[in-house]
Amino acid sequence: DVKVTQSSRYLVKRTGEKVFLECVQDMDHENMFWYRQDPGLGLRLIYFSYDVKMKEKGDIPEGYSVSREKKERFSLILESASTNQTSMYLCASSTTTRDTQYFGPGTRLTVL
Amino acid sequence: GQQVMQIPQYQHVQEGEDFTTYCNSSTTLSNIQWYKQRPGGHPVFLIQLVKSGEVKKQKRLTFQFGEAKKNSSLHITATQTTDVGTYFCGGGRRALTFGSGTRLQVQP
Repeated sequence: DVKVTQSSRYLVKRTGEKVFLECVQDMDHENMFWYRQDPGLGLRLIYFSYDVKMKEKGDIPEGYSVSREKKERFSLILESASTNQTSMYLCASSTTTRDTQYFGPGTRLTVL
Repeated sequence: GQQVMQIPQYQHVQEGEDFTTYCNSSTTLSNIQWYKQRPGGHPVFLIQLVKSGEVKKQKRLTFQFGEAKKNSSLHITATQTTDVGTYFCGGGRRALTFGSGTRLQVQP
């Protein structure tokens, strides 16, 4: 079974802090994704990566950056957290960009 | 950019009633995927459709892909309380663009 894990289920940070969200997958998938989920807005793609050190902007990349130094790990970075980044963050991975995506359990981030 | 719209946003049905959610894309899709997210859970893949006019069934669930490959639907026959959750459609070329989801509530 594919397993996608995320470093925290719940996280509380203060405005202006640098925040790291980590995601690890164990199925040797080429592609990894970061989404944020807000009520009524569905899943919005922040960034995705199709190979180590390769990344591509999604629909809402502003205020975020990503890092993929190893194939199994994809990090989402909030350089200076703001209250409007309070959200549920979901990581996913897949074999190709159009294959089944396997999601992690999510990190609920609150920025105070 | 590509937009995927899903309706309705929310539906409340009595157990045993049917349910349908619709997905419409602003551009032609090469494929479309459907996911289900249970309350408190994460999205889980249900099915992928790739051919124009394709219809696939999974027990009480019927998925359709439109002839023009710009729309899709998910129909659940005789809903059960286990069907509760949010259903998302997603499609795209480089990465999936998801609709906003349809939240289904089933009254026992």
